[in-house]
Amino acid sequence: NAGVTQTPKFQVLKTGQSMTLQCAQDMNHEYMYWYRQDPGMGLRLIHYSVGAGITDQGEVPNGYNVSRSTTEDFPLRLLSAAPSQTSVYFCASTSRGANTEAFFGQGTRLTVV
Amino acid sequence: AQKVTQAQTEISVVEKEDVTLDCVYETRDTTYYLFWYKQPPSGELVFLIRRNSFDEQNEISGRYSWNFQKSTSSFNFTITASQVVDSAVYFCALSENRDDKIIFGKGTRLHILP
Repeated sequence: NAGVTQTPKFQVLKTGQSMTLQCAQDMNHEYMYWYRQDPGMGLRLIHYSVGAGITDQGEVPNGYNVSRSTTEDFPLRLLSAAPSQTSVYFCASTSRGANTEAFFGQGTRLTVV
Repeated sequence: AQKVTQAQTEISVVEKEDVTLDCVYETRDTTYYLFWYKQPPSGELVFLIRRNSFDEQNEISGRYSWNFQKSTSSFNFTITASQVVDSAVYFCALSENRDDKIIFGKGTRLHILP
């Protein structure tokens, strides 16, 4: 049972490039979340999804897109990377909504130069 | 809007001392849930505890204890007889019953000095 898997673990992008951070969970969880972690800022919610086909914005959605075509996958897309998007990104899932324990992936460290 | 404040950015204590991490929350919902997560130096996020707004009973798990007080909107975390392995960043989080978001505080970095 792998839990929540994020790929890649590390990535360096040039300003203006696009990329997709992958997140997959094998626990049949309905709810999935994307956070970014920056020094002194804690974990900030980017986008989240309460089920396949449903997504919504979090606290800092600008510059990011998401989709949820399956229960298992919740990719995060950066359409035109900016240095301000340099961060550690975490994907999480919960079994029964926001009021239950969240399971996190190992994180993706992204650097935009 | 929901908000979580962890005013202590960084704390250093000597091993075997007790330490309390503060968490203050804001919510307009009457039903809500509070959490603590640990992020050790290896970087992963580990769930520690969940509390709902109707259960103000304090909880103890080994050297860890949590004090939930609705009157002061606080959910503080105490480590008794701290150990070097307790060194980590600790996050407090809040979710409201009428919402699907989980909002985290900025975290407290705890250093346990040998």
